[in-house]
Amino acid sequence: GAGVSQSPRYKVAKRGQDVALRCDPISGHVSLFWYQQALGQGPEFLTYFQNEAQLDKSGLPSDRFFAERPEGSVSTLKIQRTQQEDSAVYLCASSLSLAGGLFGPGTRLLVL
Amino acid sequence: AQTVTQSQPEMSVQEAETVTLSCTYDTSESDYYLFWYKQPPSRQMILVIRQEAYKQQNATENRFSVNFQKAAKSFSLKISDSQLGDAAMYFCAYRSAREYGNKLVFGAGTILRVKS
Repeated sequence: GAGVSQSPRYKVAKRGQDVALRCDPISGHVSLFWYQQALGQGPEFLTYFQNEAQLDKSGLPSDRFFAERPEGSVSTLKIQRTQQEDSAVYLCASSLSLAGGLFGPGTRLLVL
Repeated sequence: AQTVTQSQPEMSVQEAETVTLSCTYDTSESDYYLFWYKQPPSRQMILVIRQEAYKQQNATENRFSVNFQKAAKSFSLKISDSQLGDAAMYFCAYRSAREYGNKLVFGAGTILRVKS
């Protein structure tokens, strides 16, 4: 596709519910990043994939967060037993190299 | 760990005027990249400009230019001839030049308001 796409764009979840957020990177981009952006704040790193390998997951806030990219293209960020503090915009970015990377539109998650 | 600081939570500029957004960072690395991103309200993050640390020349992209002071670890963004469409949140970001783990580290952002 022309850019990075994410779905859903908006998600409302009840506390305790599991959610899955999808990222479709630009075709051929080997690097894929997930970031969490709280309201009015800068994005914070969650995890990084190079192709299908998850090389850095140091930013995942708890073991309720899990990410995968099984075929080296589409990635899914899963949050189990959602809590109110998980409410944020989840951004996906992909890149070919050490350039800044292109961001998707984000998924806005609201946990009630 | 690297940190990025944007000390101006909010800035205002008159249309057609010039504004400078400040950014400082802390790192022990010598090779890295610095970025300015623009995030309009409810819209996606757009790369404005990039600077490689090994380059002494300041990057320029049309009306956007940076003042990169490596020794002072300062990386400010100058927007000339400001336009209404420049209104957004601006983030300064750092990325290591190491092969792996090259995540972006963002500052807290500066809201830029453009007055007509």
